[in-house]
Amino acid sequence: EVQLQQSGPEVGRPGSSVKISCKASGYTFTDYVMNWVKQSPGQGLEWIGWIDPEYGSTDYAEKFKKKATLTADTSSNTAYIQLSSLTSEDTATYFCASGGYFDYWGQGVMVTVSS
Amino acid sequence: DIQVTQSPSSLLASLGERVTITCQTSQSISNNLNWYQQKPGQAPMLLIYYATSLQTGMPSRFSGQYSGRSFTLTITSLEPEDIANYFCLQHYSAPWTFGGGTKLELK
Repeated sequence: EVQLQQSGPEVGRPGSSVKISCKASGYTFTDYVMNWVKQSPGQGLEWIGWIDPEYGSTDYAEKFKKKATLTADTSSNTAYIQLSSLTSEDTATYFCASGGYFDYWGQGVMVTVSS
Repeated sequence: DIQVTQSPSSLLASLGERVTITCQTSQSISNNLNWYQQKPGQAPMLLIYYATSLQTGMPSRFSGQYSGRSFTLTITSLEPEDIANYFCLQHYSAPWTFGGGTKLELK
């Protein structure tokens, strides 16, 4: 059974960074890219970018190129997203999703930006 | 970027009723669209992939159709466990884009 287990909720101060993890199991981690998606009440669902765990190559939506950094650790089958220079606009739930085309999703991580 | 317009944004329906949700794309994407169900606090689940293919394990009351740039998700007979949010995703051209979502509630 494919599972994407994400880390717990995060609270970050404005201007700081947070790093969220997504541990994959039930499939070969390097077989599929890992996508990241932001879900917020105001903006709905937005694709942030993807990382190819095998090669470390990445692609980002234009809006998130300066906001998000995607990495992956094949030794632990874990993908990460780091969000930097946090503002209130970054308060949202962040999902990882993998498979052919977003076949499987993690449970989401709530990030709250608050001073 | 490809825009995806989903309607309705919310829907009240009765058990046993036929429910239809639509996504319209701003340009042709062939059949490169998926449908998902999301319940509060849970991971989204893939229902339909490539517009018409039912994901393994999903009930057969869910179906997808498309014509041109218009895509529909149909629930033939609404069950209590179908109360959820639904959204579509186009994966024809990056950046991948999503419909705005439909909140399905019981009448």
